[in-house]
Amino acid sequence: AQKVTQAQTEISVVEKEDVTLDCVYETRDTTYYLFWYKQPPSGELVFLIRRNSFDEQNEISGRYSWNFQKSTSSFNFTITASQVVDSAVYFCALSEAGTGRRALTFGSGTRLQVQP
Amino acid sequence: KAGVTQTPRYLIKTRGQQVTLSCSPISGHRSVSWYQQTPGQGLQFLFEYFSETQRNKGNFPGRFSGRQFSNSRSEMNVSTLELGDSALYLCASSLGTDSQNIQYFGAGTRLSVL
Repeated sequence: AQKVTQAQTEISVVEKEDVTLDCVYETRDTTYYLFWYKQPPSGELVFLIRRNSFDEQNEISGRYSWNFQKSTSSFNFTITASQVVDSAVYFCALSEAGTGRRALTFGSGTRLQVQP
Repeated sequence: KAGVTQTPRYLIKTRGQQVTLSCSPISGHRSVSWYQQTPGQGLQFLFEYFSETQRNKGNFPGRFSGRQFSNSRSEMNVSTLELGDSALYLCASSLGTDSQNIQYFGAGTRLSVL
């Protein structure tokens, strides 16, 4: 069965520090998609990135970067020079293509607190 | 382009009552999914609708039901409410049902059952 593990429950950093959020997934499907979402206090889940299982290229978007490694089933997310506005709960999620189970399986989330 | 709109934002009900939540997807999106978020269980998939048909269902009792209208708007209903149904209910819309389609979420409806 599919599973997503975010072992870090809460991380606290000081502004301008770099921080990495870990995500480990399990799936038997060979075609799948990985996602990161951000949930600010308002409650809405904000889409950050999608990655398919055949594309292991790392991606950078401004201060955000993602490291996808199939060998370790990990899809880690790094925020460089963190800011107070980055404070939120971050979720990693998995969607399988082959099984027809399109629903997102979420990790338990990592709460990031960025102190000024 | 307007995002996913969920109404109401907050609801307070008592045990045994029923409740209906509404979701308007992003214009042009035809797939709507519902998720329940609780502190104990996290984010769990409820069901997905596409073209007015339920395409996928999570592991929830029959008290949880939904429907989708011809304009892609969706409603979910919970009957005979229990205290454990207190949660944030999130709706997500996407263009289609393919796994690669990005699901965009609304701000949710926070339901409190007393």
